[in-house]
Amino acid sequence: TQLLEQSPQFLSIQEGENLTVYCNSSSVFSSLQWYRQEPGEGPVLLVTVVTGGEVKKLKRLTFQFGDARKDSSLHITAAQPGDTGLYLCRGSGGSNYKLTFGKGTLLTVNP
Amino acid sequence: DVKVTQSSRYLVKRTGEKVFLECVQDMDHENMFWYRQDPGLGLRLIYFSYDVKMKEKGDIPEGYSVSREKKERFSLILESASTNQTSMYLCASSRFNYGYTFGSGTRLTVV
Repeated sequence: TQLLEQSPQFLSIQEGENLTVYCNSSSVFSSLQWYRQEPGEGPVLLVTVVTGGEVKKLKRLTFQFGDARKDSSLHITAAQPGDTGLYLCRGSGGSNYKLTFGKGTLLTVNP
Repeated sequence: DVKVTQSSRYLVKRTGEKVFLECVQDMDHENMFWYRQDPGLGLRLIYFSYDVKMKEKGDIPEGYSVSREKKERFSLILESASTNQTSMYLCASSRFNYGYTFGSGTRLTVV
């Protein structure tokens, strides 16, 4: 059982639409990371959020860490085909490295 | 540009062969990880290492072993390859509990 549940599992939208994906857990994390993985490549770190309630922006991507540090969301404004990929979240804290990744949200942005 | 380099992008091996997957990082990171990624199962941790000659079992260590003789190099060994070890293998490194830098992956097929 993964510690982190991501939803939705799949999302297919048109270019220009907005979307939000979620990463939820019953565990508290000291920090949470978001990664994007393109087909045939390794995941690439997008952002790390550390403080409860923290909001970070990366161009059209907005990341929020929940107040209780158990969950996070990723909002994309005006999605583009280049945003297509698998979005993974990972919670970290202490020395536990097991079961720390969610299964991901596979996003497809159609032109 | 900081890097995690995996020795092969694609490998095809026969059942029963001993397989070595090599990973090198140039960032002087303490931690190194081996994951496998399968559709519907997400990223699963095989082994990790937090120091030279140190190793810890991850979520699915059976059938695998690892070696870390130098800080920059972490090798994954499949003692006797089986078809159920066909997968995408990803190596990653990190400093303490910070975000991961992944390699591009090795797609292993065991026939």
